[in-house]
Amino acid sequence: DTGVSQNPRHKITKRGQNVTFRCDPISEHNRLYWYRQTLGQGPEFLTYFQNEAQLEKSRLLSDRFSAERPKGSFSTLEIQRTEQGDSAMYLCASSPRQGGSSYNSPLHFGNGTRLTVT
Amino acid sequence: EDKVVQSPLSLVVHEGDTVTLNCSYEVTNFRSLLWYKQEKKAPTFLFMLTSSGIEKKSGRLSSILDKKELFSILNITATQTGDSAIYLCAAEAIIQGAQKLVFGQGTRLTINP
Repeated sequence: DTGVSQNPRHKITKRGQNVTFRCDPISEHNRLYWYRQTLGQGPEFLTYFQNEAQLEKSRLLSDRFSAERPKGSFSTLEIQRTEQGDSAMYLCASSPRQGGSSYNSPLHFGNGTRLTVT
Repeated sequence: EDKVVQSPLSLVVHEGDTVTLNCSYEVTNFRSLLWYKQEKKAPTFLFMLTSSGIEKKSGRLSSILDKKELFSILNITATQTGDSAIYLCAAEAIIQGAQKLVFGQGTRLTINP
């Protein structure tokens, strides 16, 4: 399977604990995105990487959230001191850069990591 | 503030019926409108619409964009139980090189046999 891969699929943690999720994008895709989806809502943008550079962060991404993409390949999203409101599906997506300013390829999403904070 | 609104939020029909899902948007730096289907896992891509008035088709699904009125519709004909899913509409904006998607709440479609 050469799609976007996310681990773990499910994570249950107690309030106050730290959690880290991993995303492996499609191999030739240099753009990587994190989205968060809560029940009954569409995904909301969190942050974006082009190669290893984090170019944009949503105001939804509080100081407790940090994302990295150290080698421009896989990415990690860490949430420190988790709160019950962090419970959601965390989706990773990737897309390729197709020369110049072309954006003709849609985002491809992974299956997500479902976080439950008790 | 950028927003995307879908209607209806929920729809229940019988197998064989035709459905139309609606999506309106207000997004700065708009570039395209995308439709995704979400079952229990990842949203899977259906259509990307960049130009007004040009219908895109894939089997029983079709979609069209109106950039003047800022809306799109997704049609599904001869529905099947396998079409049951949440259908997400997203407006794409290009901001600092990023393809930023603003999603609607989704339409939960249920097809009864």
